[in-house]
Amino acid sequence: TQLLEQSPQFLSIQEGENLTVYCNSSSVFSSLQWYRQEPGEGPVLLVTVVTGGEVKKLKRLTFQFGDARKDSSLHITAAQPGDTGLYLCAGVFYGNKLVFGAGTILRVKS
Amino acid sequence: EPEVTQTPSHQVTQMGQEVILRCVPISNHLYFYWYRQILGQKVEFLVSFYNNEISEKSEIFDDQFSVERPDGSNFTLKIRSTKLEDSAMYFCASRSRGANYNEQFFGPGTRLTVL
Repeated sequence: TQLLEQSPQFLSIQEGENLTVYCNSSSVFSSLQWYRQEPGEGPVLLVTVVTGGEVKKLKRLTFQFGDARKDSSLHITAAQPGDTGLYLCAGVFYGNKLVFGAGTILRVKS
Repeated sequence: EPEVTQTPSHQVTQMGQEVILRCVPISNHLYFYWYRQILGQKVEFLVSFYNNEISEKSEIFDDQFSVERPDGSNFTLKIRSTKLEDSAMYFCASRSRGANYNEQFFGPGTRLTVL
């Protein structure tokens, strides 16, 4: 059974601070997605990473895929209150099902 | 922008009753999925569906569960005899054949409460 460990579980920071969320597995991903989920809603896709070492940017969000394709990170620069939410990583190991991490609850205080 | 829709948004049922959760995937998508999220827990894969048949299912998806694509637009999840532990958010997702590396798009979910 493939497991995907996500950390930290909870992060509370001040507006303007930087933060990083990590996603790790002992198995190789064929691809990895990052989602954001608001309370009572479905996950919304932010980005997909596929190639080892790949870096993608989405405004103040930077996503990185590890060289060995076993880990990924999400870095937010100068966090804003609007970044508050639940961030989920989800990996594909084989087939086409997504295996989700437990999520990181981010709270950005103004 | 095309989106996945789900109905109802909230379903309350008595234990032992049958429920059908409905989804309308994005129109040109060919792969369909159901996931569930028990309160406070991870999102879990239930089943994937392609070309009118199940392509993969998890151990959660036992013979009490079934899926169907009754027409060209709807995708349904049926639970024949609900149990208390079936209470969860159920998410439908879809992706196109040409989707980059399994990019799945999720609906807003149906909250199922079994009493």
